Amino acid sequence: GAGVSQSPRYKVAKRGQDVALRCDPISGHVSLFWYQQALGQGPEFLTYFQNEAQLDKSGLPSDRFFAERPEGSVSTLKIQRTQQEDSAVYLCASIWDRGAAQYFGPGTRLLVL
Amino acid sequence: KQEVTQIPAALSVPEGENLVLNCSFTDSAIYNLQWFRQDPGKGLTSLLLIQSSQREQTSGRLNASLDKSSGRSTLYIAASQPGDSATYLCAVKAAGNKLTFGGGTRVLVKP
Repeated sequence: GAGVSQSPRYKVAKRGQDVALRCDPISGHVSLFWYQQALGQGPEFLTYFQNEAQLDKSGLPSDRFFAERPEGSVSTLKIQRTQQEDSAVYLCASIWDRGAAQYFGPGTRLLVL
Repeated sequence: KQEVTQIPAALSVPEGENLVLNCSFTDSAIYNLQWFRQDPGKGLTSLLLIQSSQREQTSGRLNASLDKSSGRSTLYIAASQPGDSATYLCAVKAAGNKLTFGGGTRVLVKP
């Protein structure tokens, strides 16, 4: 594809609901990243995959957050029992090589009511 | 822990003026530094990538410098235009591949 795509673009959830956010990286990109961006702030790292291996999940804020990339391409970020503080934009990025630029998707804007 | 700071948080200039955006980071052991542009409600667009061994990168009206030893990078945008209005973010990559972002500088270029 031409770039990183994410779906849905917008998601409204009631507190306590589970949500699943999808990321399709650029074809051939080995590494995939998830970031969380609160309003008016810079993105913060959540987790990172190299192919299907999750190499770093140190940024996941709680055990309600879970990410997977089972076949080394598409990734899903799942948030269980959503809370209001989970409201943010969730950004996905991919790179083809360690030294290359990270390319970002448009993000999923999550609002938890 | 790496911390990235961008000053000022917001900047307003008349069209045609040059823009100077500053980024500082606390740990100089970086792999590279990347500047991004973010328009309201949109994702991040990569502008320039500077490897740790480089001093600067240029693309059109954009020039970014890197002084790793002092933990600083500066993004220059020449002859600003209203279309340059956006939030500009810098991010550093250290070991582990993840990016650490600054809080961004919101730029408004007035016609």
